[in-house]
Amino acid sequence: DIQMTQSPSSLPASLGDRVTITCRASQDIGNYLRWFQQKPGKSPRLMIYGATNLAAGVPSRFSGSRSGSDYSLTISSLESEDMADYYCLQSKESPLTFGSGTKLEIK
Amino acid sequence: QVQLKESGPGLVQPSQTLSLTCTVSGFSLTSNSVHWVRQPPGKGLEWVGAIWSGGSTDYNSALKSRLSISRDTSKSQVFLKMNSLQTEDTAIYFCTRLGGGPWGQGVMVTVSS
Repeated sequence: DIQMTQSPSSLPASLGDRVTITCRASQDIGNYLRWFQQKPGKSPRLMIYGATNLAAGVPSRFSGSRSGSDYSLTISSLESEDMADYYCLQSKESPLTFGSGTKLEIK
Repeated sequence: QVQLKESGPGLVQPSQTLSLTCTVSGFSLTSNSVHWVRQPPGKGLEWVGAIWSGGSTDYNSALKSRLSISRDTSKSQVFLKMNSLQTEDTAIYFCTRLGGGPWGQGVMVTVSS
């Protein structure tokens, strides 16, 4: 199975900060990488697909990038509504695998 | 519009079988895959398995010996069956297309005697 190593597990940040969350894939997944946001008590929401493509309705302060086997989700200027858990998911091959998650919280 | 809704028992006894249904609307099961994802209380997301548009299935490696996913396209329903349930299977179970668009609201399943 492909392992997705996500870091950090917790990220305290201030409003207006630029923040980055990273997932490293244990083998080649090309651009088959998605990012999800999940707020407490809610179902997850797709934010990024194809490693770099913004999903419909997602604010432009969110972006995705890739460097080799490292995939990053960046928020350019943190807003209060962005406080949530974030997960990466590889869909290159089955079984699909999620990263362990990052809790983004106010410092 | 696209909707998915999970249904099933909230409480299952250890060693028993879990049966969940995902009823979808707004899209065709023969053109879209449907995935099951679960989340134990306070923990992260875990991909459980999927039924693809052609009807084939894939499963989480750790669960595949206990798991079966099927569908009834005429009723727009996807089914999950998992046997030999243990307390570690206590979780919210979501069905989703995993793409853009809504997930189901999830169903909380507790494994307890």
